[in-house]
Amino acid sequence: GQNIDQPTEMTATEGAIVQINCTYQTSGFNGLFWYQQHAGEAPTFLSYNVLDGLEEKGRFSSFLSRSKGYSYLLLKELQMKDSASYLCAVRDWGTGFQKLVFGTGTRLLVSP
Amino acid sequence: DGGITQSPKYLFRKEGQNVTLSCEQNLNHDAMYWYRQDPGQGLRLIYYSQIVNDFQKGDIAEGYSVSREKKESFPLTVTSAQKNPTAFYLCASSTSTGEDIQYFGAGTRLSVL
Repeated sequence: GQNIDQPTEMTATEGAIVQINCTYQTSGFNGLFWYQQHAGEAPTFLSYNVLDGLEEKGRFSSFLSRSKGYSYLLLKELQMKDSASYLCAVRDWGTGFQKLVFGTGTRLLVSP
Repeated sequence: DGGITQSPKYLFRKEGQNVTLSCEQNLNHDAMYWYRQDPGQGLRLIYYSQIVNDFQKGDIAEGYSVSREKKESFPLTVTSAQKNPTAFYLCASSTSTGEDIQYFGAGTRLSVL
């Protein structure tokens, strides 16, 4: 089966660094995605990892360890606008179709 | 300006009524998807289409129907058989090749009157 776990909620202060973890179990892993979703809006793509290691994009970085079934999203120099939910999604071959399996999301609250 | 357009933004359904949610994309993507989002749950796949005139059931297809007559359009009908339709519905599209990143529309919030 498929299972994705991420914390429900996190809080942090403006200017700080926060790490959002995601652990997963899938039968046919083929990539991990992070999306940002502001309340009532569409998820927007942040990052994609398919090989082990760190991918950096400005203030955001994403790390993957396939052997541990683990990823994290690192947000630096937090801004108030970073308050949102962060969705971890794993692409799984499963039944021959590469579908995305989403975690429940981590709600990040950034305070002044 | 390329993107995915969903309409309407808000929709109300009466008992026994079928309603149709629109999804249009001008990204020239082959694949399109419908997800349902409920509080405290991850996005769940309702239907997907990898090519025109073909579509497949996702994990929670019961009470829903779709069509894919044009590459740009993938409407979702919520039928009266769907007993708990209140949710946020998201449409997405992707290239089906390479990184195959899914891009989402702004969503339709469906409520029952």
